[in-house]
Parts: sequence; structure tokens; C-alpha cells
Amino acid sequence: KAGVTQTPRYLIKTRGQQVTLSCSPISGHRSVSWYQQTPGQGLQFLFEYFSETQRNKGNFPGRFSGRQFSNSRSEMNVSTLELGDSALYLCASSLASAYSYEQYFGPGTRLTVT
Amino acid sequence: AQKITQTQPGMFVQEKEAVTLDCTYDTSDPSYGLFWYKQPSSGEMIFLIYQGSYDQQNATEGRYSLNFQKARKSANLVISASQLGDSAMYFCAMSQYYNTDKLIFGTGTRLQVFP
Repeated sequence: KAGVTQTPRYLIKTRGQQVTLSCSPISGHRSVSWYQQTPGQGLQFLFEYFSETQRNKGNFPGRFSGRQFSNSRSEMNVSTLELGDSALYLCASSLASAYSYEQYFGPGTRLTVT
Repeated sequence: AQKITQTQPGMFVQEKEAVTLDCTYDTSDPSYGLFWYKQPSSGEMIFLIYQGSYDQQNATEGRYSLNFQKARKSANLVISASQLGDSAMYFCAMSQYYNTDKLIFGTGTRLQVFP
């Protein structure tokens, strides 16, 4: 069974630009969550999508947005990039069932904003 | 609000020895879940173990066990018989009991296993 895949793996952008990151969950998984990891703030929850609807949201500005498609693939978008957005962005998928609590993480997309 | 505290930035352990990584949590919810994840240098987070707030027994998964002390609000990870491949960052996390797709993470502990 293929794991969670994220593309691209590395990205360099300039301040003010926008970026779109993609996440393909494990087949059959309906929930996709996004996390930002930085040395200063650690791992922070961005948002979670389930059946194409945002079900949970973290405490990030509106520049951070996401969506989920009918095949459960998810994208996140960051507009008007700032230097502080440089981070490892991790995507995780899960079955989102009552008896399953494990999230499976992808390898991450390392975004550098210059 | 939920909060996870990991007070050990780094730990060293000799191969084949046991090691305990500390985690304390704070929440006003009576129902919650506690997790441990491992992050090797490659960056990918690997699920290790889960404990629900209503579980009476400590969770175990192979060489990993979670020492759950509800009254003290602690959820320490015990790794028995450490291996060189256990060298990594370890994160404690929590969620609401029925909302396990939103994890709140601690700052992590870097474990180094030496021969």
C-alpha cells in the first residue's frame, strides 16, 4: 500500500509570491490534515479536511488555505508569502473512523521563502 | 485549551538500555487521546503508540510502552532495549477523544543512542 505522498518535496519562493502544496493520502483514507513545522514554533496544526469539507482549523492567518478533492487529495495554498512561512509542511491522512486514531504522515514539503 | 510539555530537549542512552521520555499535558476535557510520534532525520513522522484517557491499562507496542498517570497528567514513553535506529526526535501529542485528526504537539525530545 502506497504511503502519503507530498509534492513538491522542496520549494524556494520569494516574499510576496504564493505557493500551492499537494498531498495524496493513503488509498481509502478520507481525512487529510496539514501541519507546519518550524524551529521556533515547533509543530503546529493548520487545518483538516474530511469529505471535501474543512472540519478543523488551527490558529493561522487567512493567507493559509486549503481544499480537498473528491478523491481525498488535498492542496494547501499560502498567499503573499512571508519569510516566516519558511517551514516543513507535513500532511497526514487517516481513516477517520471511530476505532482508528492513527495519522500517517508524508515526507513533507520544505518551503524556503527568500 | 490543550497543552503538551516536554521538558527534556535531549537525552542520551546506551544501546540495549531502557530510556524514559517525559511528557506532561494539560486539558480541561475529560476525554482525550495521547500519542507519541518519532521523527527521524528524514523528516517523516512515525506513529508509535496511543493511549485513550479512558484506557485503564498502559498502552504497549513492541518495545514502546506509555506510562500513563492520569492524576499527574503525565504520559511518559518508555523505550526498552534501545537500538541505534531509535536515534531521532520524539514528539508527544494530544487530541480530543473523538477528534484525533487535530494533534497538539510538544516541543520534542532528541534521543541519541550510542553503542
